[in-house]
Amino acid sequence: DTEVTQTPKHLVMGMTNKKSLKCEQHMGHRAMYWYKQKAKKPPELMFVYSYEKLSINESVPSRFSPECPNSSLLNLHLHALQPEDSALYLCASSHPRGGAELAKNIQYFGAGTRLSVL
Amino acid sequence: GNSVTQMEGPVTLSEEAFLTINCTYTATGYPSLFWYVQYPGEGLQLLLKATKADDKGSNKGFEATYRKETTSFHLEKGSVQVSDSAVYFCALSEGSSASKIIFGSGTRLSIRP
Repeated sequence: DTEVTQTPKHLVMGMTNKKSLKCEQHMGHRAMYWYKQKAKKPPELMFVYSYEKLSINESVPSRFSPECPNSSLLNLHLHALQPEDSALYLCASSHPRGGAELAKNIQYFGAGTRLSVL
Repeated sequence: GNSVTQMEGPVTLSEEAFLTINCTYTATGYPSLFWYVQYPGEGLQLLLKATKADDKGSNKGFEATYRKETTSFHLEKGSVQVSDSAVYFCALSEGSSASKIIFGSGTRLSIRP
C-alpha cells in the first residue's frame, strides 16, 4: 500500500479565514512533505519534516504554518492567505524504517487539496 | 546545482503510436531518477523509478533506463492509449536524506482515438 490521504479535496476560503489541510500516511514513512503546485507548473517544495521535526522550510511566508503531530499525520495551517496562494497543495511521504527504499528518497504523493482564496 | 530538463509539450499522438519523452539531468553524485504522472485534476503518481546507473524502471507498459554516460532517463511506451493522456514529470532525488525532489517542467501528452 502506497497511499497518502489528503483532506479536504477542495477548499474555498476568504482572506481573513483560518483553515487547515490534513495529510495522513500509514506506510511507516519517517519523512513528510508539503508541495505547492500552480497550474501548468511542476510542484514546488514548501516544507519537509523528518522524524517529526521540521528539517526544511523553503522560505515560505508565515501565513503557512506546518505541524506534524505524530509520524503519520501532517497538517498545514492557513491564515490570512492571498488570492495568489490559490493552488493545488500536495503532501508526500518517504523513507520507510527499513528496506531497499530507505536510501533512495522515493516520495509518494497524495491526490492534493485544491485551494481557492477569494 | 542539480536540474532536470525535459522536452517541451504538448505532445499529441494517435492511439497505438510509439511514445518517447526525452529527459536529461545534471547532478552531482548518484541521484535516483523518477517519472511521475499527473492525470487531469489529480495528484502525482509515481510511474517508475531507477536508483542506479543502467537500471531500467518499468510500469504499465512504460519504460525508462538510467543512462549515466548520457545523463538521460527517457520515457518510452510502445503503444499508447487514450487513457495515457496526462502530464508527465521527470524528476531526480538529491540524496538519501529527506530532501527535495527536483522536477522537470512537465510534458503534456494527448492521445487521439
